[in-house]
Amino acid sequence: AQSVTQLGSHVSVSEGALVLLRCNYSSSVPPYLFWYVQYPNQGLQLLLKYTTGATLVKGINGFEAEFKKSETSFHLTKPSAHMSDAAEYFCAVSDTPDNLFFGTGTRLTVIP
Amino acid sequence: DAGVIQSPRHEVTEMGQEVTLRCKPISGHDYLFWYRQTMMRGLELLIYFNNNVPIDDSGMPEDRFSAKMPNASFSTLKIQPSEPRDSAVYFCASRGQGAGGYGYTFGSGTRLTVV
Repeated sequence: AQSVTQLGSHVSVSEGALVLLRCNYSSSVPPYLFWYVQYPNQGLQLLLKYTTGATLVKGINGFEAEFKKSETSFHLTKPSAHMSDAAEYFCAVSDTPDNLFFGTGTRLTVIP
Repeated sequence: DAGVIQSPRHEVTEMGQEVTLRCKPISGHDYLFWYRQTMMRGLELLIYFNNNVPIDDSGMPEDRFSAKMPNASFSTLKIQPSEPRDSAVYFCASRGQGAGGYGYTFGSGTRLTVV
């Protein structure tokens, strides 16, 4: 069975500081992994995804994530936070087309 | 590509009334999902369709909820009668085969308030 754990429901960083949002997954097969972002009053938008190949994945808005099989992790990072990054971020895991498991989300606050 | 289109964006209704939420998936996508998002429970999968056929409705809260997909370009989620605890944001999402890693495209959601 697949599952996702996002450590920290709320993360606050100063503008310009490193953003690190943690995601650990559980999967019985090689997973597909995703990060989605949700801005206030909007739907979920795909930020980046890992399918196969290179384990360091780059996404939109300067975000990237690294798939670490040995640690069953897929943490999201951005070197320098911007005010516009304030949003809720969801990690998700899938192994089949009809099976996408979401984490509970991490709300990112950026302090000016 | 206009993306996944949901209507209405906001719905306010009185308890006991029927509510119908609508979704138009991306053309060519053969999976359609309905999710509900609340502060208490986060994102919950309600039901999903494959090629217009309901596959798993185990997430539908109770018989007051029903969903249909009469064709590949349209789906509805109906609540009858509505109750205040149904207040939430309802999202529709779609994906297609070979869409690269099974990622979904979400609509902007319908914010439902039942008073």
